[in-house]
Amino acid sequence: GAVVSQHPSWVICKSGTSVKIECRSLDFQATTMFWYRQFPKQSLMLMATSNEGSKATYEQGVEKDKFLINHASLTLSTLTVTSAHPEDSSFYICSASPTDSGNTIYFGEGSWLTVV
Amino acid sequence: TQLLEQSPQFLSIQEGENLTVYCNSSSVFSSLQWYRQEPGEGPVLLVTVVTGGEVKKLKRLTFQFGDARKDSSLHITAAQPGDTGLYLCAGDEAGSYQLTFGKGTKLSVIP
Repeated sequence: GAVVSQHPSWVICKSGTSVKIECRSLDFQATTMFWYRQFPKQSLMLMATSNEGSKATYEQGVEKDKFLINHASLTLSTLTVTSAHPEDSSFYICSASPTDSGNTIYFGEGSWLTVV
Repeated sequence: TQLLEQSPQFLSIQEGENLTVYCNSSSVFSSLQWYRQEPGEGPVLLVTVVTGGEVKKLKRLTFQFGDARKDSSLHITAAQPGDTGLYLCAGDEAGSYQLTFGKGTKLSVIP
């Protein structure tokens, strides 16, 4: 089956620094990738839709200057949390849909971010 | 914005029992997906249903899409401890890859 890989799986950073999370589709091309955030005991919250070669579309309430998304190729999207604060600590998950697969979406393993 | 109501939110049952999880909406979805998520990991796709009235089986799991494509159910027969996890339903809006997620059902199967 299709594989989406996220890196790093977990990261600890100091408050005020920036951290980058990568999302790669390993065996398919994805024009569109999605970034989610999940708080403990809650469902996934869509943060933004990442479009290859164009600007990401952010959901209401998500700061685009804080959560920078770059979708530079058909197999890679990155999420950079800038000037991280402890409240940014969360589980971040990306997903991608093969360009020719209809609505099937595959998720990455997720990345745990802890800001201290 | 389409909303998906998932129920029950929590479910704790004994090994061997059967259970059903429901996912309901007032809106019509092009397709509906069920995921299972274990703690600390990303959701794993279990099944996608696209046709009204469709029934799909995955070992002891039976998934059904409502005739009107507004609701879906997941039935687990003879639950096992390995079925423990968070089950999420997600529906997609017509013509879009965006998914609307239910809040999830946290299932605990007690040996």
